[in-house]
Amino acid sequence: GAGVSQSPSNKVTEKGKDVELRCDPISGHTALYWYRQSLGQGLEFLIYFQGNSAPDKSGLPSDRFSAERTGGSVSTLTIQRTQQEDSAVYLCASSLASSGGAKTQYFGPGTRLLVL
Amino acid sequence: KNQVEQSPQSLIILEGKNCTLQCNYTVSPFSNLRWYKQDTGRGPVSLTIMTFSENTKSNGRYTATLDADTKQSSLHITASQLSDSASYICVVSASDSNYQLIWGAGTKLIIKP
Repeated sequence: GAGVSQSPSNKVTEKGKDVELRCDPISGHTALYWYRQSLGQGLEFLIYFQGNSAPDKSGLPSDRFSAERTGGSVSTLTIQRTQQEDSAVYLCASSLASSGGAKTQYFGPGTRLLVL
Repeated sequence: KNQVEQSPQSLIILEGKNCTLQCNYTVSPFSNLRWYKQDTGRGPVSLTIMTFSENTKSNGRYTATLDADTKQSSLHITASQLSDSASYICVVSASDSNYQLIWGAGTKLIIKP
């Protein structure tokens, strides 16, 4: 069956440009997560969506980062005025509803962002 | 400070051999511990999840152990295969919430023929 998909798979941009990263979660998964993974580092939580609830944005590193989830499905992570330190792999994951116990997260392949 | 530390950072073994990866954590309160496998260029894939009351769980040739008293976990891989080459990540949750997770940096395992 279809897993989590992300696009683009690779993105090279110039410092100061805006980028949009897309995530298509597994159908029926109400929870969606964005993470950032820098080279040799552990995953860094960015933002979490659960159904129609207000998202948890506590992991967003600055106000240049924002994300939305339309219709409870597709999500877009936007980075404005990109900086070189934004270069990383951006991973999206989805799961069944998170409440009532831990649920396995299923990850997409990631978007590799390089800011020149 | 909640932290997850893994060792070794990297490991090279011959195909067919066994190996054990270590995870120490200082996350409190503790809810559960997971091991993920991440192939190069792919997202992590869940291998096991253990709660406080579980001290061992197997998934094929992967066996995870948990000592909640010493706050240590290990992942043992038996009869390694070339396809086991990947990063193995230990993740600890401080609650039942899926997003309050503390991720380790991973152990990069290379299996040589």
